[in-house]
Amino acid sequence: EAGVTQSPTHLIKTRGQQATLRCSPISGHTSVYWYQQALGLGLQFLLWYDEGEERNRGNFPPRFSGRQFPNYSSELNVNALELEDSALYLCASSLTHQETQYFGPGTRLLVL
Amino acid sequence: QKEVEQNSGPLSVPEGAIASLNCTYSDRGSQSFFWYRQYSGKSPELIMFIYSNGDKEDGRFTAQLNKASQYVSLLIRDSQPSDSATYLCAVKGDSSYKLIFGSGTRLLVRP
Repeated sequence: EAGVTQSPTHLIKTRGQQATLRCSPISGHTSVYWYQQALGLGLQFLLWYDEGEERNRGNFPPRFSGRQFPNYSSELNVNALELEDSALYLCASSLTHQETQYFGPGTRLLVL
Repeated sequence: QKEVEQNSGPLSVPEGAIASLNCTYSDRGSQSFFWYRQYSGKSPELIMFIYSNGDKEDGRFTAQLNKASQYVSLLIRDSQPSDSATYLCAVKGDSSYKLIFGSGTRLLVRP
């Protein structure tokens, strides 16, 4: 069974640009979560999508947004990039929101 | 007070020894507890989860949960150099959707 996949693996942007990160969950999983892991910081919850809807978001500004498609894949958009947005962005999926979350390999975003 | 606390380490143990990793949490309503392993530059990999008080064993790994003390631990028996990684403790409420992570404990297993 294929795991969670993410693309791209690395992304380099400059301040003010927009970044789009993509995630495909494990087959059959409907819940997708996004987490940010900045250098020296722990994993911070960003967004949760389930059945195509945004269900909740963490303590991040509105320039962090995303969506979930009918096939349950998801996209994270970060607008007006700032230097401190440089981090590893991890996508996780679960069968339902109460089940165990499995992580993808991550997208490493570098903002110059 | 952080919601999930872990000693950052590094915890250094010799090969073949038992490594003991600890985690405390502040929310008494927490119901699910997870241990993830994260190698440098990689994503977290699930090792174990535990829901009930007591011990849960899986191969060389044993998770221990004490809800009264709000404490969860991970024991790694016969530690190997390949176990060297950061171990993340994560906690979830009963109807919650998000994992709350500790900052992780770095484990070094010396050959």
